[in-house]
Amino acid sequence: EVQLVQSGAEVKKPGESLKISCKGSGYSFTSYWIGWVRQMPGKGLEWMGIIYPGDSDTRYSPSFQGQVTISADKSISTAYLQWSSLKASDTAMYYCVRPQSYGYWNTYWYFDLWGRGTLVTVSS
Amino acid sequence: EIVLTQSPATLSLSPGERATLSCGASQSVSSSYLAWYQQKPGLAPRLLIYDASSRATGIPDRFSGSGSGTDFTLTISRLEPEDFAVYYCQQYGSSPQGTFGQGTRLEIK
Repeated sequence: EVQLVQSGAEVKKPGESLKISCKGSGYSFTSYWIGWVRQMPGKGLEWMGIIYPGDSDTRYSPSFQGQVTISADKSISTAYLQWSSLKASDTAMYYCVRPQSYGYWNTYWYFDLWGRGTLVTVSS
Repeated sequence: EIVLTQSPATLSLSPGERATLSCGASQSVSSSYLAWYQQKPGLAPRLLIYDASSRATGIPDRFSGSGSGTDFTLTISRLEPEDFAVYYCQQYGSSPQGTFGQGTRLEIK
């Protein structure tokens, strides 16, 4: 089965670091871009950025550039989203997403595969 | 950066009725690279439409997409009870690819 399996919910304090994960299975992990989408409580969807695990080329939305780091370990088919210093405003659901089409040059990023989401709560 | 504006914010209809949801772009969307998603409470979004008018795998034919340039529409021909949800449009033709609209909530009247 083709799926994205995300790590579990996290509760952190402001200033702490965090790395959440997304493991792809049932498809060639290195042949598809894989990205992250944020959904703050009661709000809409925001595209954060995307990585091509085959060569680690990473693109960020301007809104998230410098705020988070996206990485991938192709040896274990896992993508990551990390923060060095969390803020209360980082409280949100974070979805891992994969575009429908494969290949590095296919940058038509609409997403037919979604993880179930990782809820991150940042509170003192 | 292209900004997508969805209207209305909330649409109240009854099962069996026709729903028309709009997505307007601040600039022309390249090659009609626009998608629509459905999200139900507590679940991840689901891809409905891509390339403005192509239905994703497994999506019923009561869902259809149309439009080009700056104006796009998602139509649900006859609403089923399971169609009441939030709908988002997304453009992926211009950098930064992946920008979403703010959503339309389709609620039961």
